[in-house]
Amino acid sequence: DSGVTQTPKHLITATGQRVTLRCSPRSGDLSVYWYQQSLDQGLQFLIQYYNGEERAKGNILERFSAQQFPDLHSELNLSSLELGDSALYFCASSEGGYFTDTQYFGPGTRLTVL
Amino acid sequence: GESVGLHLPTLSVQEGDNSIINCAYSNSASDYFIWYKQESGKGPQFIIDIRSNMDKRQGQRVTVLLNKTVKHLSLQIAATQPGDSAVYFCAERQNRDDKIIFGKGTRLHILP
Repeated sequence: DSGVTQTPKHLITATGQRVTLRCSPRSGDLSVYWYQQSLDQGLQFLIQYYNGEERAKGNILERFSAQQFPDLHSELNLSSLELGDSALYFCASSEGGYFTDTQYFGPGTRLTVL
Repeated sequence: GESVGLHLPTLSVQEGDNSIINCAYSNSASDYFIWYKQESGKGPQFIIDIRSNMDKRQGQRVTVLLNKTVKHLSLQIAATQPGDSAVYFCAERQNRDDKIIFGKGTRLHILP
């Protein structure tokens, strides 16, 4: 168990809908990262927050947004969902704000868009 | 558990043998590399990392080798055990923008 929790574990929704994925980092970790893992694209970095502020941005679509709250938990919002958004979404956390800091991954949320 | 990357290359290794998993990275300016292990139904797990000023680093039963000349990274697992069965993928940090790029992964299958 990495200490990172993600909810829900599974999510099934329809195209055009909006969903929110939640992540609680390990105790003491200030950084939260979001990743998307699909069969054809592999694991892709979406966005990073450090102590409430956006720190780095990857291949995140404009339909997606995220935030980190004062208690350091984070939410990833996915809107106007398309079939291609079906994937595993992972959250990771680290103590520091750099990619060289060891990241601990949560168990993921499986999103299925029908 | 759920499978990720059903069409990944697979390496089959006899239990007790050494495993060597290879990765070609893309950017000669990358300065930091990580190997992750992902078991079925779980998130990736950090195994070992190496900076570009090194060519070898050892951990517990694992060794990472870095060949910058040909942009190649390898992970060696000694005395492979059933618990090593997983998808392994490398990641590189492109220092230009401090982002991590992940490889596609290799599935390690342990033969009894």
